[in-house]
Amino acid sequence: QKEVEQNSGPLSVPEGAIASLNCTYSDRGSQSFFWYRQYSGKSPELIMFIYSNGDKEDGRFTAQLNKASQYVSLLIRDSQPSDSATYLCAPRAGQNFVFGPGTRLSVLP
Amino acid sequence: DTGVSQDPRHKITKRGQNVTFRCDPISEHNRLYWYRQTLGQGPEFLTYFQNEAQLEKSRLLSDRFSAERPKGSFSTLEIQRTEQGDSAMYLCASSLVSGVGETQYFGPGTRLLVL
Repeated sequence: QKEVEQNSGPLSVPEGAIASLNCTYSDRGSQSFFWYRQYSGKSPELIMFIYSNGDKEDGRFTAQLNKASQYVSLLIRDSQPSDSATYLCAPRAGQNFVFGPGTRLSVLP
Repeated sequence: DTGVSQDPRHKITKRGQNVTFRCDPISEHNRLYWYRQTLGQGPEFLTYFQNEAQLEKSRLLSDRFSAERPKGSFSTLEIQRTEQGDSAMYLCASSLVSGVGETQYFGPGTRLLVL
């Protein structure tokens, strides 16, 4: 079992729709969870992070965490073509950030 | 621009040559990480520093790889006797550990191509 799994892409949504990105992790010691966005040929940029079970909202982005299910998700409301990118989930246990393979999102105008 | 810089941005080398990359973190950040990323994969942890001390090194990292962070400021990553499998994007990230946790900020990366 891979340490971090993300829904396989590419995921295509129409402009204005909600994009849902999922991530599961195997290390129950993971305490914090980070979402990064990566445009093609660029380095990852931090979107948001979450530590506690439940929802955390930041603008159009909502992160959801369920530690019992070892599941974290990212919702993007009112998706825009500029949101088209690869989204990386990175749980953190101890000192290391362990990145998932990413989900490629395409928002269609 | 996150404030983390890397040099060079691109490097083409022949198999068997040595290469060295540099990372300049955000000045007040005390942690510095190195990652490697290949196409279609997420960043893979290589090593990290807390100030000048190298605290962890991935078991996947061969002895051909070495990293330093003298004086706890910039860091260098050297790959000796490069192989074609070393071709990847090498990413540096810095972070500040504080009471509210830690978030990483990535540099633009150095893309290495080994011929």
